[in-house]
Amino acid sequence: GEDVEQSLFLSVREGDSSVINCTYTDSSSTYLYWYKQEPGAGLQLLTYIFSNMDMKQDQRLTVLLNKKDKHLSLRIADTQTGDSAIYFCAESITPGYGGSQGNLIFGKGTKLSVKP
Amino acid sequence: GAVVSQHPSWVICKSGTSVKIECRSLDFQATTMFWYRQFPKQSLMLMATSNEGSKATYEQGVEKDKFLINHASLTLSTLTVTSAHPEDSSFYICSARNERGAYNEQFFGPGTRLTVL
Repeated sequence: GEDVEQSLFLSVREGDSSVINCTYTDSSSTYLYWYKQEPGAGLQLLTYIFSNMDMKQDQRLTVLLNKKDKHLSLRIADTQTGDSAIYFCAESITPGYGGSQGNLIFGKGTKLSVKP
Repeated sequence: GAVVSQHPSWVICKSGTSVKIECRSLDFQATTMFWYRQFPKQSLMLMATSNEGSKATYEQGVEKDKFLINHASLTLSTLTVTSAHPEDSSFYICSARNERGAYNEQFFGPGTRLTVL
């Protein structure tokens, strides 16, 4: 079945790097995403990676994908207090596969706390 | 960038009443919209997939008669919680898929906080 796992909490000091990890089970995943949710708000897409890529970098964000181990990570360089939020990992399988219409499967989210 | 709005942002209602939540894609057309429910400190649970011009597809365990979904146009989907009860209190989030965009991207609304007294 489809399942996405994340650790629930991460605490770092301002200026340090944060690494949020995620594992997924569906090997047919085509795209993997990282979303950010600030308190009381909806989800903001941070970045995504196609399943045939190993790494993607976008300014302070680096996504690493180990498809063999089904492991995804998000590294935030020079973490700021404004980065404090819940980060969700999500996978999307091919539209139409299993009738899922390309739905997103979310992890439970990792709450990142950044201390000054 | 693509923007999705939800209205209202929060609502408080009495038990037994019905509440309608709107989800709009403001600058793109969305054949497919999704409705999620989020409990405190929990992940998003997909409730249903809303398809323009056809019936919604509900996930297992979601009562279709309780949560009515209408996707009458390419920019608007509505979720009506009928005969709401306190256990329906939750954060409801919609998303819209931009078919002209890349990579199956969904854009999320800001969410609607429903409190049923």
